[in-house]
Amino acid sequence: EAGVVQSPRYKIIEKKQPVAFWCNPISGHNTLYWYLQNLGQGPELLIRYENEEAVDDSQLPKDRFSAERLKGVDSTLKIQPAELGDSAVYLCASSLEGGGPHNEQFFGPGTRLTVL
Amino acid sequence: RKEVEQDPGPFNVPEGATVAFNCTYSNSASQSFFWYRQDCRKEPKLLMSVYSSGNEDGRFTAQLNRASQYISLLIRDSKLSDSATYLCVSDAGKSTFGDGTTLTVKP
Repeated sequence: EAGVVQSPRYKIIEKKQPVAFWCNPISGHNTLYWYLQNLGQGPELLIRYENEEAVDDSQLPKDRFSAERLKGVDSTLKIQPAELGDSAVYLCASSLEGGGPHNEQFFGPGTRLTVL
Repeated sequence: RKEVEQDPGPFNVPEGATVAFNCTYSNSASQSFFWYRQDCRKEPKLLMSVYSSGNEDGRFTAQLNRASQYISLLIRDSKLSDSATYLCVSDAGKSTFGDGTTLTVKP
């Protein structure tokens, strides 16, 4: 079974440029998460989707970040314009359900963003 | 203060040693807890869920102490391959990760 797929794996851009990340979750997983991870820190939740509905986007910097999951399957996270401090690994994860003791999250390999 | 706190380590132990990590959480509404393992430059992977009664999976034992609001992970008979960062997660409707504890097992 295919895991969570993310692309691109690496992205280098100059500040003020836009950038987009794509994620395809495991088939049948209704819940999709976008996390940001800085070196030496744990993943920080940016947004969580239940099907196509964003149920928690409280940590998403909405002035420059946007996300969508139009058909409740794959998702795109966008930054416009990017800032130097956005350099990090952007992780996508999916799970069968949105909570509970059996809510195992499966992570994709991440997109490593470098903003110059 | 972070919602989930872990001792960053690093913990450096010899092969065969027993090592334990603790993780404290501040949200008393947390219902689910997990330990994830993350290898260098890789994505996190679930190691085990943590149940109220405690649970064991081979050399790994997880415990939950709701009164003191901490979870623990015990690794017995450490292997070189156990070297990684261990992330604890508290879920109160939203998954909150700690910053991880780094373990290095040496020959």
